[in-house]
Amino acid sequence: GQQVMQIPQYQHVQEGEDFTTYCNSSTTLSNIQWYKQRPGGHPVFLIQLVKSGEVKKQKRLTFQFGEAKKNSSLHITATQTTDVGTYFCAPSYSGAGSYQLTFGKGTKLSVIP
Amino acid sequence: EAQVTQNPRYLITVTGKKLTVTCSQNMNHEYMSWYRQDPGLGLRQIYYSMNVEVTDKGDVPEGYKVSRKEKRNFPLILESPSPNQTSLYFCASSLSGRSYEQYFGPGTRLTVT
Repeated sequence: GQQVMQIPQYQHVQEGEDFTTYCNSSTTLSNIQWYKQRPGGHPVFLIQLVKSGEVKKQKRLTFQFGEAKKNSSLHITATQTTDVGTYFCAPSYSGAGSYQLTFGKGTKLSVIP
Repeated sequence: EAQVTQNPRYLITVTGKKLTVTCSQNMNHEYMSWYRQDPGLGLRQIYYSMNVEVTDKGDVPEGYKVSRKEKRNFPLILESPSPNQTSLYFCASSLSGRSYEQYFGPGTRLTVT
């Protein structure tokens, strides 16, 4: 399947610092989803972005979809220990055909109290 | 309560001994899929199903079988498990396809010795 590059793989921040993870694709996406997986848990859906240039906010989390629909970011303002976990993007590619869903490799966030 | 259930949650088995991991959802979802999660590799889709009797390969289908005889159930079958199938497995479901929120089960930790 097609691949998306998610960076960074790991991020350690002091509590209160900001955090950003990026998903980059070489081909145009039809939409992109973001998930969070707490340590020992299962992935949980956060949001889906569909429109070019879309920006959505959930409290301290800001999600962006690039103008060309080839990249996306998740930004957390003033991290808290409850933000610890791995964040995955899950892009869907334009065009007919496969209904396969491919996830990025994830960014593991550690928050130092 | 809307949920995806998996059984067993933990399994230790030996090479070559056939096993089945069950997955069931109570949300009348059409789309179901299986993922394996390995350190550094993220979530990789094994198989997915668009509806009853409709299944297709994901990124890593080798060594696995699935069936979708009923809408709510999507078992994962390992006919002859090998140590390289030691992994954390997640079942997921969504209303209709990959562009909808994926609901994940709690995971099955499989060890093949």
